Amino acid sequence: DADVTQTPRNRITKTGKRIMLECSQTKGHDRMYWYRQDPGLGLRLIYYSFDVKDINKGEISDGYSVSRQAQAKFSLSLESAIPNQTALYFCATSDRGQNQPQHFGDGTRLSIL
Amino acid sequence: GQNIDQPTEMTATEGAIVQINCTYQTSGFNGLFWYQQHAGEAPTFLSYNVLDGLEEKGRFSSFLSRSKGYSYLLLKELQMKDSASYLCAVYYGNNRLAFGKGNQVVVIP
Repeated sequence: DADVTQTPRNRITKTGKRIMLECSQTKGHDRMYWYRQDPGLGLRLIYYSFDVKDINKGEISDGYSVSRQAQAKFSLSLESAIPNQTALYFCATSDRGQNQPQHFGDGTRLSIL
Repeated sequence: GQNIDQPTEMTATEGAIVQINCTYQTSGFNGLFWYQQHAGEAPTFLSYNVLDGLEEKGRFSSFLSRSKGYSYLLLKELQMKDSASYLCAVYYGNNRLAFGKGNQVVVIP
């Protein structure tokens, strides 16, 4: 079983719909992150959380919200989806410490028509 | 903002050595990571540097010069499976990672 699991893996939806992407982990890490990846733009941080009561905005949080339901679960919501939110979304986790690498889920490919 | 530059693409021959460069300008520096990402897949961790110098790990080595804001990843004895994008990421300021756009390496027979 994957240590960082994202659901769904693929989603096609329409403009204006509310969408939730879910992430769960079995690594026991405190820190969780949401990124989006667009061709030519690399990975960009949307939100991150260092524990259940800690939520922080990343560089591109507008139009997104998150919920850290438990240490192991971190979900990303698009309140009213728009076509330029079409992207590959990754969840990642890490242990505490600056030398700890982030471990990524397999990604959710989201298309908004 | 954070600025991390990598060349976009390079082609190399199986068995050869390739060097992938990364230059950065960030508000603070707490370390530099290299990740490998195959098309459509998750990035996977390769190496971490926080002190100047070379870190060697099998066929992969990573070098850091903090004074120059520069790092490189060296891939030796290239294999076809090394065809992937290589991402440079800097850990800065308030415990966040800033990623470069990635360098696509194409290995040819």
